[in-house]
Amino acid sequence: QVQLKESGPGLVQPSQTLSLTCTVSGFSLTSYDVHWVRQPPGKGLEWMGGIWGDGSTAYNSALKSRLSISRDTSKSQVFLKMNSLQTEDTAIYFCTRNSGGYYSWFAYWGQGTLVTVSS
Amino acid sequence: DIVMTQTPSSQAVSAGEKVTMSCKSSQSLLYNENKKNYLAWYQQKPGQSPKLLIYWASTRESGVPDRFIGSGSGTDFTLTISSVQAEDLAVYYCQQYYNFPLTFGSGTKLEIK
Repeated sequence: QVQLKESGPGLVQPSQTLSLTCTVSGFSLTSYDVHWVRQPPGKGLEWMGGIWGDGSTAYNSALKSRLSISRDTSKSQVFLKMNSLQTEDTAIYFCTRNSGGYYSWFAYWGQGTLVTVSS
Repeated sequence: DIVMTQTPSSQAVSAGEKVTMSCKSSQSLLYNENKKNYLAWYQQKPGQSPKLLIYWASTRESGVPDRFIGSGSGTDFTLTISSVQAEDLAVYYCQQYYNFPLTFGSGTKLEIK
């Protein structure tokens, strides 16, 4: 079955770079998109960006200058890197898979990983 | 960016009651070529990841109880729960996938009296 699992450091210092990994199973990264969505504690959902089956990427313009999404198809992993972290980047970070097609809904979600930005 | 506005921000209902919640988009989500509305609804229970309920504004995801009903077109959409159950305690989000950046509403928190 389709599974996604996020991993990474729970604590990052301000101004540092966040690196997260999404390890997937049950599908091929060359056939489906994987996206990152984050949720500050007690707040709503924000789409950050995604990587398509053909390897192309798209980013939320609000984060584009700081964000990079890449993948390793042989390891079934998608990576998120975001630099210059601030306290407002404290959030649960989810990786999600769409249902197929360029414009699509998020059919599957990982459990999320909490990242706290603090010194 | 397409702004998604959800109302109310919270509401409390008793089990068995019908509840409706609204989602309005700042531009039409109806794609004329295929006559589909590019809108999804998600349920997020406390401490859990969001779960897909509805896509194409009114198509229920497999396994979702039929008490969850999505409706609407263009810029105005509604999620109805025909008979609320205690396990429906959650925040409900709408999301447009018509255009990038993909955007979510701020959510409607459903509380059970």
